[in-house]
Amino acid sequence: GAVVSQHPSWVICKSGTSVKIECRSLDFQATTMFWYRQFPKQSLMLMATSNEGSKATYEQGVEKDKFLINHASLTLSTLTVTSAHPEDSSFYICSAISAGGTGANVLTFGAGSRLTVL
Amino acid sequence: QKEVEQDPGPLSVPEGAIVSLNCTYSNSAFQYFMWYRQYSRKGPELLMYTYSSGNKEDGRFTAQVDKSSKYISLFIRDSQPSDSATYLCAMKVGNNDMRFGAGTRLTVKP
Repeated sequence: GAVVSQHPSWVICKSGTSVKIECRSLDFQATTMFWYRQFPKQSLMLMATSNEGSKATYEQGVEKDKFLINHASLTLSTLTVTSAHPEDSSFYICSAISAGGTGANVLTFGAGSRLTVL
Repeated sequence: QKEVEQDPGPLSVPEGAIVSLNCTYSNSAFQYFMWYRQYSRKGPELLMYTYSSGNKEDGRFTAQVDKSSKYISLFIRDSQPSDSATYLCAMKVGNNDMRFGAGTRLTVKP
């Protein structure tokens, strides 16, 4: 089945620094990837939709200059949290929709990246 | 009113019990219905996927969709401690972004 790899799984950084999280589709091409944020004991909150070769579409209330998304290829999307602050500490999860093969109508999720900003 | 409503629990059952998890929704256009299982500090993994109304069975898991009532269910038979996780219902229209329920935290006690 489709596999999405997310890296790093856990990152700790100092306030004011930037952190990049990678999301890769390992065995399929993903024209669309999604980035979610999840606070403890809460559901997934969609942050943005990333389309290969074009600008990401951000959900209302999500700062695009704070959360930079790049989808440079059909297998890689990156989320960069710029000038991170403690309130950005959260669990970030990416997911991908395949380009038309098996599972085209479902999302495959990465394992998530836990960001802790000190 | 939220687009997808799901009781967050927590729900605690003894091993071997039948578990019933439910979601209601308001958007009658939803066509695809999914259940995801999420272990602590992990990404969600797809459990069941149903298109439109009906039942679908996979081992100990049964998913039901009742579009007339805008109600979906996930049943787990002979529950095991390893089933302890958060279960998220999700639904979508076509290839549009998915809407998730809040997730129900389930604990199966040995």
